[in-house]
Parts: sequence; C-alpha cells; structure tokens
Amino acid sequence: QKEVEQNSGPLSVPEGAIASLNCTYSDRGSQSFFWYRQYSGKSPELIMFIYSNGDKEDGRFTAQLNKASQYVSLLIRDSQPSDSATYLCAPEEDTGRRALTFGSGTRLQVQP
Amino acid sequence: GAGVSQSPSNKVTEKGKDVELRCDPISGHTALYWYRQSLGQGLEFLIYFQGNSAPDKSGLPSDRFSAERTGGSVSTLTIQRTQQEDSAVYLCASRGGRGETQYFGPGTRLLVL
Repeated sequence: QKEVEQNSGPLSVPEGAIASLNCTYSDRGSQSFFWYRQYSGKSPELIMFIYSNGDKEDGRFTAQLNKASQYVSLLIRDSQPSDSATYLCAPEEDTGRRALTFGSGTRLQVQP
Repeated sequence: GAGVSQSPSNKVTEKGKDVELRCDPISGHTALYWYRQSLGQGLEFLIYFQGNSAPDKSGLPSDRFSAERTGGSVSTLTIQRTQQEDSAVYLCASRGGRGETQYFGPGTRLLVL
C-alpha cells in the first residue's frame, strides 16, 4: 500500500511570511513529485513538479526533494491570503500508468 | 486552449439508479485518468486510459463501476445501482504536453440519496 503523509493542519501563517509544507512518501520507486493546490469546492490545480534531488524554484514557490529520505516539501514565500487553500502532495507511480498517489493535504491559512 | 471539461457538474440521484459521468480531455492528450475524492479523504485512483489501449481498471472499487473511452478522446464513467457510499467528487485528469503533468477537470459532484 503506497502511502503519502502530510500534516493536515491547518497551518496558519501571517501574510508575507514563509509557509513550509512537508510530505513523506513510501514508494521508493517514485521519480516525479507534484504539488497541487485545491481551493474549497474546486478541483486540484498544478503548482509545480520536481524530479531531481534538491531545490526547484518557480516564482514564490520552491519545491525541495530528498529521495533518500523520501521527503518532499513546498515553500511559499511572501504568503498571500489568496494562497489559503489545501496543498496536495502527489508522487507519481513508477509504472506505465503513472498514476498519482495523493496525500490528504495540508490546509494553509494565511492571515491578513 | 480549453482545459479538461466534465459534465454534469452536479448530480443527485436515488440509491439504486445508474449514473453516467462524462470527461472531455485536453485536445491531444493521450492519457486519461479518473479519480474519486470522498468527503475528508484524499483522491484515489480509479481507472487509466492510454490512447485506444485496454484500460487499467485496477482502482475501480466494485464491478458496479465501469468506464469507456471512445475514439481515444471522450470518456464516460458509469456507476450502476448507486449506493450512498458512492457519493463523492469524481475527477478526470488528462496528461500530455512537455511536462507530462496531469491536469484536472472541474469534477462532478455526485450525491446518492
């Protein structure tokens, strides 16, 4: 059973602060990792993906991957109230179908 | 360009009825997935289509669930004899493009009374 663990939160940060979202996964075969944002009542929206160990930056977002520790994180700099949402970590299966295994998500609240 | 579209957006049905959910993937995307998101739970994989190949149905929770994909494009997920535990949001995603990421449709919210 492949598992993805995320702290359900809510993680509350003040506007302008850095939000740090963490995720651990059990499938050592996973090579690609995706972060989705999901607003209440909406479908998941892709934030970014990472497949190499280290950091990957895209605007205010930085994804970090450590395959040896089976750990992936997402940092959001200069957090805005509009960032308030649930963030889903999703490793991709290392299979032909490449389905995503989702964590239950971390709910982020950015306080104005 | 247009994203993944799904219909209906909401469906209320009575226990025991059959329902059909439709997904129209992004044009040119060959891979199509169905996921289910139950209240307070994570998304779970249901079924995978790649082009015109036979689907991977290993995630379907029971034989009341079936899906087809016509012409390698539009897909229909059918739930027969619906049960209350089938109530969930059913999400379709398609994959393609340079990044090979999955893009989700808006979902169909199914409520079985």
